[in-house]
Amino acid sequence: DAGVTQSPTHLIKTRGQQVTLRCSPKSGHDTVSWYQQALGQGPQFIFQYYEEEERQRGNFPDRFSGHQFPNYSSELNVNALLLGDSALYLCASSLGQGGYEQYFGPGTRLTVT
Amino acid sequence: SQKIEQNSEALNIQEGKTATLTCNYTNYSPAYLQWYRQDPGRGPVFLLLIRENEKEKRKERLKVTFDTTLKQSLFHITASQPADSATYLCALVRGNNRLAFGKGNQVVVIP
Repeated sequence: DAGVTQSPTHLIKTRGQQVTLRCSPKSGHDTVSWYQQALGQGPQFIFQYYEEEERQRGNFPDRFSGHQFPNYSSELNVNALLLGDSALYLCASSLGQGGYEQYFGPGTRLTVT
Repeated sequence: SQKIEQNSEALNIQEGKTATLTCNYTNYSPAYLQWYRQDPGRGPVFLLLIRENEKEKRKERLKVTFDTTLKQSLFHITASQPADSATYLCALVRGNNRLAFGKGNQVVVIP
């Protein structure tokens, strides 16, 4: 049973560029949430997708956007990258919006130079 | 403002002893609280969930308590082992499974 997978593992971008991160949820899960984790901090909620729609959003600017596909996989897009966007981006999947346990992927380490 | 506080200092503990971590929160009324383990460069791994009407939850060598009056949760690892060395994150649930995490507390188990 495949767990949550994310790609790429690492990414280096330049300020002002755009980036797309990808996530495949655990088999059977239909809800995907994205988190940003800066070094030494806990994960911060970005948004959650269920039934191909953004259902909840954290305190992140519109530069952060996402998408969920019919197969429940998801993408996180960040436009106009800033140095402060450097972080570990985590995808978590769960069953339904009220699914208690969230399964996290290994994350994508984004470095903005 | 809403805060979730975990001790920023690493907890160094001798193998075999009980490690106890604290999670304090303010201006939240969570229906339930979760604890996760995170190893360096990896995603968090779910450990335990406790509901607001539960005082204590156990899973193998792990025990969690939840006091909604004190707004505090305690996380215990009994008979600690070097393999328990990691960062442990407390998370409160907001809305539909939207998690608010503390900064985490590092545990180092010394053989």
